[in-house]
Amino acid sequence: GAGVSQSPRYKVAKRGQDVALRCDPISGHVSLFWYQQALGQGPEFLTYFQNEAQLDKSGLPSDRFFAERPEGSVSTLKIQRTQQEDSAVYLCASRDPANYGYTFGSGTRLTVV
Amino acid sequence: GESVGLHLPTLSVQEGDNSIINCAYSNSASDYFIWYKQESGKGPQFIIDIRSNMDKRQGQRVTVLLNKTVKHLSLQIAATQPGDSAVYFCAENISGGSYIPTFGRGTSLIVHP
Repeated sequence: GAGVSQSPRYKVAKRGQDVALRCDPISGHVSLFWYQQALGQGPEFLTYFQNEAQLDKSGLPSDRFFAERPEGSVSTLKIQRTQQEDSAVYLCASRDPANYGYTFGSGTRLTVV
Repeated sequence: GESVGLHLPTLSVQEGDNSIINCAYSNSASDYFIWYKQESGKGPQFIIDIRSNMDKRQGQRVTVLLNKTVKHLSLQIAATQPGDSAVYFCAENISGGSYIPTFGRGTSLIVHP
């Protein structure tokens, strides 16, 4: 597709449940980023991939958060044993290697109840 | 006028007025800056960027000004329209790094018809 696609758009999880959020970047974009955006705040960096290599995961808030991109295209952000404080919008972005242009998806809104 | 809301600073303007949104960045090593517009339920959308070797850049109806001395960016929107209503974020990228955008707090722009 023409843009970054994220699914699901909305996810409600019971506290303690595991969730998996998917990101389909723009074809040809080797760099992929995950951000967490709490209500009323700016996006906070979580992790960054270049192709299948996870080059920076310094923003992951705990070891319950795990991201992968095994074939260098689709990426999955997994959150284990979800907690209420994990409720946020999770944004994925990919970057055009030619001009550093970033394109964001519409995000997945996770609500932990 | 400008006011501090519960979460985000808010700027209210009348349609047709010019808007100025300000941003202070934190890292003197940052050398690439991007302004994003985020509408409700969507991911951030690229508006305009500027590199640190410039102090002004113009786009269609938008101008970004960079003052490296005081680490300040501004986004000027000419002839503001109701469709400009959104949250605006500046993001900085640090020289020599992986160009991972670090977002500021954001400003909510409300345009009254």
